Parts: sequence; C-alpha cells; structure tokens
Amino acid sequence: KNQVEQSPQSLIILEGKNCTLQCNYTVSPFSNLRWYKQDTGRGPVSLTIMTFSENTKSNGRYTATLDADTKQSSLHITASQLSDSASYICVVNRITGGGNKLTFGTGTQLKVEL
Amino acid sequence: DTGVSQNPRHKITKRGQNVTFRCDPISEHNRLYWYRQTLGQGPEFLTYFQNEAQLEKSRLLSDRFSAERPKGSFSTLEIQRTEQGDSAMYLCASSSRTGWITGELFFGEGSRLTVL
Repeated sequence: KNQVEQSPQSLIILEGKNCTLQCNYTVSPFSNLRWYKQDTGRGPVSLTIMTFSENTKSNGRYTATLDADTKQSSLHITASQLSDSASYICVVNRITGGGNKLTFGTGTQLKVEL
Repeated sequence: DTGVSQNPRHKITKRGQNVTFRCDPISEHNRLYWYRQTLGQGPEFLTYFQNEAQLEKSRLLSDRFSAERPKGSFSTLEIQRTEQGDSAMYLCASSSRTGWITGELFFGEGSRLTVL
C-alpha cells in the first residue's frame, strides 16, 4: 500500500534551536518527494523537491535529505524562528500508468516558542 | 496577485443546505485539483481536471459532491445536502504541464466549511 508516514506528529522547540522532521514512505515506483510548509489557515507552499539521485538539498535554513534505499527523508530546520511555526507536509510523487500520483503525509505540526 | 484564488474563505451553513466553492487557478495552469483537509491531517485528494475534462474522482467524492470546470479556467465544487462530516478545509491547487511532471502544486488559501 502506498503510504507516507511522518514523525513526530507535533513538536515544540525554543526559538534559535534546530529540529529534524522525518518522513518514511512506501510509495512505489518513486518519482520525487516534496516538503511543503503550511501556515495555519493557509494553503501548503512547496519548500523543496528531492529526486531519486539527490541526497541533500538546502533552501536557506531548511535542509532536506533523501535516502531512496531506505525510503526515508528528513527536513532539518536550523536556527528556528517564530515564523517557522507551521505544519510540514511530506508528499511523495509516484509514476503510474495514468500519470503521476501524489501521496500526502499527515504532517508534523511545529511550534517555535520564545 | 496571480496565485490560486479561492472563495469564499469561510462558509458556515446549516446541515442539509447546499454550498458552492469557487477556485480560480493560475492562468496558464491547465491542471486543477480539489483536496479536502481536516484538522491535523494532510490534504486528501478529491478530484482533478485537465483543462475542462474531469479525469479522476476519489471515492471520497460522494454523489453529494460535484465539481465542474466548464471552460477550463475557474472551477466550482458544490456540496449538496451538507452533513456535519463535510466540515473541513477545501483546498484548490493548480499545476502547469511541467509542474505536473514534478508533482508541484500551487495551492490556494482554502475555503473553510463549517456545517452546524
């Protein structure tokens, strides 16, 4: 079954601290993986995309990793800011006969506090 | 603003009433998607259009739900005889031809439905 599981479900950290969010997937055949950030009451916004051949990619204070062998990805946030408080959703894209199919994780709810 | 636009942003209705949401995608995007999201969950796929053709519908889309994209531009999602279980955020997203290949979706702000 094609599934995306994220952990932890929620996380509270102090401003300035680092954190790492995890995404494990069983989606196959794998095409790519995206991390989205969703602020409360808003639509998700793409942060980064990881393809099969990429292991690490940075976007400012966000660094995503991908291990296609173990089917795991992580999103590391450095020097967190209050504005990082949001839900982070892992989305895996798979190739099917009918085209691409997206499988969404349930998200990790991050809260950054003073 | 040339992003995906949804309205209304919030809708409160009584059980049994019909509601309609509208989505205006990014103008050059030919694919349009509807998702439903409940609190603490990721978006769940409802349906998508390529131009004016509705190519796929989820089993979540009961016969009380109907979506249209008559001219391949804006889309509407109608829910008839609403139930309390329909309370959710309804997200619209669009993608370009190349964006579809990479699975990149541009989401709107969502329409939050509360059924009393």
